[in-house]
Amino acid sequence: GAVVSQHPSWVICKSGTSVKIECRSLDFQATTMFWYRQFPKQSLMLMATSNEGSKATYEQGVEKDKFLINHASLTLSTLTVTSAHPEDSSFYICSANSGTGIQETQYFGPGTRLLVL
Amino acid sequence: AQSVSQHNHHVILSEAASLELGCNYSYGGTVNLFWYVQYPGQHLQLLLKYFSGDPLVKGIKGFEAEFIKSKFSFNLRKPSVQWSDTAEYFCAVKLHFGNEKLTFGTGTRLTIIP
Repeated sequence: GAVVSQHPSWVICKSGTSVKIECRSLDFQATTMFWYRQFPKQSLMLMATSNEGSKATYEQGVEKDKFLINHASLTLSTLTVTSAHPEDSSFYICSANSGTGIQETQYFGPGTRLLVL
Repeated sequence: AQSVSQHNHHVILSEAASLELGCNYSYGGTVNLFWYVQYPGQHLQLLLKYFSGDPLVKGIKGFEAEFIKSKFSFNLRKPSVQWSDTAEYFCAVKLHFGNEKLTFGTGTRLTIIP
C-alpha cells in the first residue's frame, strides 16, 4: 500500500515552455501532498504543500507564479513549471500523506527529472 | 523552526560490518522521526518511523533506530550490512502535533564494499 506515482519520469523541454508534472496516490486518498526539489547529491528542499480543494502553501523563496500547483482531487496533484529556464532543471519529487492524525506518514513518488535546454 | 543534522556525509564500510548513522534534531517539543533510504536511481522509501512508545524502532531490511530524547538523537543501526545497502540515507523530523511538513537532514551516502 501507500504507492505514489509521478508522470512523466523525465522530460526535456525548450526554454520558455511550460511543463506539467502529475503526482498520484494510487491506493489511498491524500488531502495533502508535497512538492520537493532535489539537487544532485543534496537533500530534498520542500517547495510547497498542496492541499486538496484549496490553494497551495509555498515555502519562502519559491515563486508561486512560476511553480503552479493544483490539487483537484484526493488522488492527484499537479505541478506546472511555467516559462521554464535552464536553472529550473532539477529533480522534482512529490509525496503524499497516508494515515491520519499523529500517525501520518509521507510516501514519496519516484521523481521527475526535468532538463530545460 | 526544527532542523536535522546528519554529521556523516559519506560512510564506507565492508560487507558484514556494523553500521550506525547519526541523526540529531533541534526542537524541544514532541516530534515524529523517520529514516528514508534512496537506492541509486530509485525513489525515497520509508525505512522506519517513530511516533511514540518503545524508543527502539525496528524497520525493514534489518534496520533499527533508537530515539534518545535526552540527546535529541535518532541514530540508525544495522548489525551487519550488505552490498545492497549502498544508498543515500535521510533522517527526517515532523512535529508531533500540527505542521505536517517534514524537515530532512542533508543525507548520508553509504557505500558498501563487497
